[in-house]
Amino acid sequence: DQQVKQNSPSLSVQEGRISILNCDYTNSMFDYFLWYKKYPAEGPTFLISISSIKDKNEDGRFTVFLNKSAKHLSLHIVPSQPGDSAVYFCAASVIGPGGGADGLTFGKGTHLIIQP
Amino acid sequence: GAGVSQSPSNKVTEKGKDVELRCDPISGHTALYWYRQSLGQGLEFLIYFQGNSAPDKSGLPSDRFSAERTGGSVSTLTIQRTQQEDSAVYLCASSLVRGGAKNIQYFGAGTRLSVL
Repeated sequence: DQQVKQNSPSLSVQEGRISILNCDYTNSMFDYFLWYKKYPAEGPTFLISISSIKDKNEDGRFTVFLNKSAKHLSLHIVPSQPGDSAVYFCAASVIGPGGGADGLTFGKGTHLIIQP
Repeated sequence: GAGVSQSPSNKVTEKGKDVELRCDPISGHTALYWYRQSLGQGLEFLIYFQGNSAPDKSGLPSDRFSAERTGGSVSTLTIQRTQQEDSAVYLCASSLVRGGAKNIQYFGAGTRLSVL
């Protein structure tokens, strides 16, 4: 039972264009979402996050959008650069009233390829 | 060190042997997490520690898996009587605090375990 789904295993985008990576979740208790980027033989690197009280968070070239009613979030990268080629993981957690957020639930990842 | 350090980076073992994987979190981080990434899969949460509190072991796949954290810092994940399905990359992460809206976990490069 996958609670976080990334339905596109790979995505190819031309350099300079916008990359849009999508993520869907099923657990309505999730209230904090994160995107991680992973290069081969390295651990995931935190990119950007969003709390469920927001619908958009922006950091430089990266913007995350959250649609709670659709249980959908997306990561936009604009403009896309060759160094953005990597696997991108969507992750979710439950903060809860006690403030606890334990293990993250990850999607399977999307391999983004930026073509020159 | 500046980041999460894991050792060894690669481990090849024979089926039935025990293995120990080590994680040294970022200095000052109180929360430590172990994940597993099998081929073609997302990261699977295994266990987390908060300071010196008893860990949440609910994510461990079997009783052959155990983990400890000494002195609230370094952690060891032990797999007894390894099986071929244990082959995966084992990732450790740490965060400054457990929970809250800033539960950003920082990952090590992982230990690639191959069980022959």
